Amino acid sequence: GAGVSQSPSNKVTEKGKDVELRCDPISGHTALYWYRQSLGQGLEFLIYFQGNSAPDKSGLPSDRFSAERTGGSVSTLTIQRTQQEDSAVYLCASSLVRVGEKLFFGSGTQLSVL
Amino acid sequence: DQQVKQNSPSLSVQEGRISILNCDYTNSMFDYFLWYKKYPAEGPTFLISISSIKDKNEDGRFTVFLNKSAKHLSLHIVPSQPGDSAVYFCAASEDDKIIFGKGTRLHILP
Repeated sequence: GAGVSQSPSNKVTEKGKDVELRCDPISGHTALYWYRQSLGQGLEFLIYFQGNSAPDKSGLPSDRFSAERTGGSVSTLTIQRTQQEDSAVYLCASSLVRVGEKLFFGSGTQLSVL
Repeated sequence: DQQVKQNSPSLSVQEGRISILNCDYTNSMFDYFLWYKKYPAEGPTFLISISSIKDKNEDGRFTVFLNKSAKHLSLHIVPSQPGDSAVYFCAASEDDKIIFGKGTRLHILP
């Protein structure tokens, strides 16, 4: 596909379970970002990957959150032992080269922790 | 502490009039500013950007103004159309991180 693809589009889980969210960036885009949007809030930066460089993890809210990017393409965001406050829309974005270039966002994964 | 602030959660504008969305920032090292538009259940889409070395960038009905001394930027939409009703996010970048504001919901009234 031509755009950023995220799966699943919706995920309902029970408190304490682990979840994995997937992002397929646009082919050839070297930069990949994860953001989350909680109800009534803005876009909160989580993590940034650029090529083969070490990721910028400064936005991850706790050690329950981790992300990896395999082969410079697909990325997975993992949340362990989910809590109710993790409920949010998780958005992935990619860009061609670097910041300043516009980001292309996926439609997001709506995560609901019961 | 919020580095990018959009102090108006919502704004209502009559169709055909000018919509002005405002954004303030605190980090003088930001070198690029962007506006994104978001419809419900969709990801944000890029609208317009401006480099810190410029003070104005125009693209059709959309113009972004940057006042570096005031650390303020604004997005002007003229004339406003019904399809402009959406949430608008201001964003700023430094090195390889993009920071977003909380957004302003724009309602275009018929």
